Amino acid sequence: KAGVTQTPRYLIKTRGQQVTLSCSPISGHRSVSWYQQTPGQGLQFLFEYFSETQRNKGNFPGRFSGRQFSNSRSEMNVSTLELGDSALYLCASSGGPGDTQYFGPGTRLTVL
Amino acid sequence: EDQVTQSPEALRLQEGESSSLNCSYTVSGLRGLFWYRQDPGKGPEFLFTLYSAGEEKEKERLKATLTKKESFLHITAPKPEDSATYLCAVPLSSSASKIIFGSGTRLSIRP
Repeated sequence: KAGVTQTPRYLIKTRGQQVTLSCSPISGHRSVSWYQQTPGQGLQFLFEYFSETQRNKGNFPGRFSGRQFSNSRSEMNVSTLELGDSALYLCASSGGPGDTQYFGPGTRLTVL
Repeated sequence: EDQVTQSPEALRLQEGESSSLNCSYTVSGLRGLFWYRQDPGKGPEFLFTLYSAGEEKEKERLKATLTKKESFLHITAPKPEDSATYLCAVPLSSSASKIIFGSGTRLSIRP
């Protein structure tokens, strides 16, 4: 079974730009969660989608948004990028709430 | 408040020197505790899920145990390739779909 895939793997943007990251979950998984990982803050929960509905959101500003499509693929968008948005963005999929989450390789975003 | 705390922050061992990593949690109605391994610049790799106190799971040199307040990841006769950051995580008591992670233990095994 193919694992979670994320594209792109690396991204360099400048302040003020926007970015869209993509995540394809494991086949059959309907829940997709997004996390931001930085050296100082560790792994922080961004949001979780299940059957195209956002069910949970972490403590991030409204510049961070996401969506999920009918095939369970998910995208997250960050608008008006700031230097502090530089991080590894991780996507994880699971069969349902509270189930074991399996992570993708991440997208390394650098904001200059 | 739901919380996950891992200790120590970093651990350096000699190859073959066994030790344990700790994950303490304050979550009411635990719905599972997850252990992951993460190599630098990569996504976390799933290791174990534990559901109830007294449960134990093993994989190669790793064994995870669970009590009502904490979990231990025991590493027996580690090898340099076991060097990584080990993370534990639990679903929130208020929402199973929101997972909170500990800050991790950076494990380094010297040959």
